[in-house]
Amino acid sequence: DIQMTQSPSTLSASVGDRVTITCRASQSVSGWLAWYQQKPGKAPKLLIYKASTLESGVPSRFSGSGSGTEFTLTISSLQPDDFATYYCQQYNNYPWTFGQGTKVEIK
Amino acid sequence: EVQLVESGGGLVQPGGSLRLSCAASGFTFSSYWMSWVRQVPGKGLEWVANIKEDGSEKYYVDSVKGRFTISRDNAKNSLDLQMNSLRAEDTAVYYCARDRTRFDPWGQGTLVTVSS
Repeated sequence: DIQMTQSPSTLSASVGDRVTITCRASQSVSGWLAWYQQKPGKAPKLLIYKASTLESGVPSRFSGSGSGTEFTLTISSLQPDDFATYYCQQYNNYPWTFGQGTKVEIK
Repeated sequence: EVQLVESGGGLVQPGGSLRLSCAASGFTFSSYWMSWVRQVPGKGLEWVANIKEDGSEKYYVDSVKGRFTISRDNAKNSLDLQMNSLRAEDTAVYYCARDRTRFDPWGQGTLVTVSS
């Protein structure tokens, strides 16, 4: 199975900060990577797919990059609604696997 | 509006069985793969199984192979997960999701608790 490792596990930031989350795969997933946002008690929400394609309706402050084994999710200017947990997910090989999550907290 | 609504969760004893259902609306259900994804409360996400548009292909994570069965009824726009030989480690919120390799949208989830 492909292991997905996110860093950091927790991130403390302020409104307006630029935030970057990294996701590393144990083997190449090409560009087949998605990012999700999850708030407490809610289902995850798709933000980005194919490493860098923004899902319709997702604010442009979110962006994704990378290929192969290293990927990043960037929030250009953190907003109050962005405090949540973020997950990466590979869909290059079965079983589809997720990173362990990165919690973005208020500093 | 695209919507997925899960049902069927609850408390079950170890070794028991439970059947989850997911009702889909707002899109052409028969045109999409569908998946089940689970999440232990307070923990991360784990993909469980998926099924092709016509039900002809199914894939499972190793930890549920031989115990869980995914199925669908395209005439009723519904997705099921039959869970047998349940273990404590199967305790989780189970989400159904439209699977375009990325998951979107997700249902609200249904909690399965395996405990004596």
